[in-house]
Amino acid sequence: GAVVSQHPSWVICKSGTSVKIECRSLDFQATTMFWYRQFPKQSLMLMATSNEGSKATYEQGVEKDKFLINHASLTLSTLTVTSAHPEDSSFYICATTEGNGNEKLFFGSGTQLSVL
Amino acid sequence: AQSVSQHNHHVILSEAASLELGCNYSYGGTVNLFWYVQYPGQHLQLLLKYFSGDPLVKGIKGFEAEFIKSKFSFNLRKPSVQWSDTAEYFCAVTPFTGGFKTIFGAGTRLFVKA
Repeated sequence: GAVVSQHPSWVICKSGTSVKIECRSLDFQATTMFWYRQFPKQSLMLMATSNEGSKATYEQGVEKDKFLINHASLTLSTLTVTSAHPEDSSFYICATTEGNGNEKLFFGSGTQLSVL
Repeated sequence: AQSVSQHNHHVILSEAASLELGCNYSYGGTVNLFWYVQYPGQHLQLLLKYFSGDPLVKGIKGFEAEFIKSKFSFNLRKPSVQWSDTAEYFCAVTPFTGGFKTIFGAGTRLFVKA
């Protein structure tokens, strides 16, 4: 199956700094990338959907200026948490599909962000 | 709002016990249904899926799930669990509208005692 590589797996940063998370599709072209976040004991919540070469679509309540998503190529999508605050501490995970989006998801390994 | 509800956050079973994890969703239209599993230290991966046809679907490692449309449920079952089934299980629903955004349940952590 498709392989999605996500880096870093864990990052600790100071409040006010920015953190970039990368997701790469290693053996296929990911037209669409979904970005989720998960708080402890809660569901994976969809933050945004990015499509290669176009602006990301953000879910209600997600600040697009805070969570910058770039999907410049068919193999790389990035999520940048800008001016991070402790409440941004969470588990962020990317996922993609091989097809048109209604099929199964292939997940990255996730990034645990801790903002001090 | 659309949601997916998993009935148990934590389940502890002994080996050979039977397993049933509940999942209900709130969406009236056509959906694709999934169970994903995350073993310790590994990525989330697909366990089984239902798109159409026979509502009883079989997945990997002896798991099966039954789609009951009238109950908006998609419960996961396994007749006899093994220690290696210790993992976190997520039910997920992809509605056919709204850009195929997959909605996840909160997950159920299963611990199987050897």
